[in-house]
Amino acid sequence: AQTVTQSQPEMSVQEAETVTLSCTYDTSESNYYLFWYKQPPSRQMILVIRQEAYKQQNATENRFSVNFQKAAKSFSLKISDSQLGDTAMYFCAFMRGSNYQLIWGAGTKLIIKP
Amino acid sequence: GAVVSQHPSRVICKSGTSVKIECRSLDFQATTMFWYRQFPKKSLMLMATSNEGSKATYEQGVEKDKFLINHASLTLSTLTVTSAHPEDSSFYICSAETFGETYEQYFGPGTRLTVT
Repeated sequence: AQTVTQSQPEMSVQEAETVTLSCTYDTSESNYYLFWYKQPPSRQMILVIRQEAYKQQNATENRFSVNFQKAAKSFSLKISDSQLGDTAMYFCAFMRGSNYQLIWGAGTKLIIKP
Repeated sequence: GAVVSQHPSRVICKSGTSVKIECRSLDFQATTMFWYRQFPKKSLMLMATSNEGSKATYEQGVEKDKFLINHASLTLSTLTVTSAHPEDSSFYICSAETFGETYEQYFGPGTRLTVT
């Protein structure tokens, strides 16, 4: 069975700093997708970034980038120049290519301090 | 971008009554919708996968007779909590899958259910 592990329950950094959230997963699948979602206090789930397993190049979206290490089954999220609006719960999620269900990590609460 | 709405956003009901939560894809057709439950400060727990025109597939441990799911059209899925009890109080979230190139699920804003 697939599992997703986020080992950092909570992190706190100063505004403008860079922060990295860790995520590891376990699967025997070869075709899958990885996601980072953000859930602010409003509780609306927002997609931050996605990565297709078959792509070697790490995905980037403005200040957000991932370090995808397929062999190590690691998928960390780096947030550069952090902003107060980045304060939220961040969830790492795994999607099998065959049934499109998301398997979620426990989440990391990120606090950006002014 | 794709938008998913949920109604109501908050609902309070008395123990023993039933409550219906609607999930709509506003600007796209969703062949598949998912229903999640989220406990405070916890991750999302998948309850069921809903496919238009067919019976929902429930995750292990989820009572299908208690959580009735109907996916009557490509833009609407409903979750009915029957004979609700205080332990059913939770935050319920739906998402819709477009099966496009990105395999992205679009999430509704959630429904806060409180059973008194």
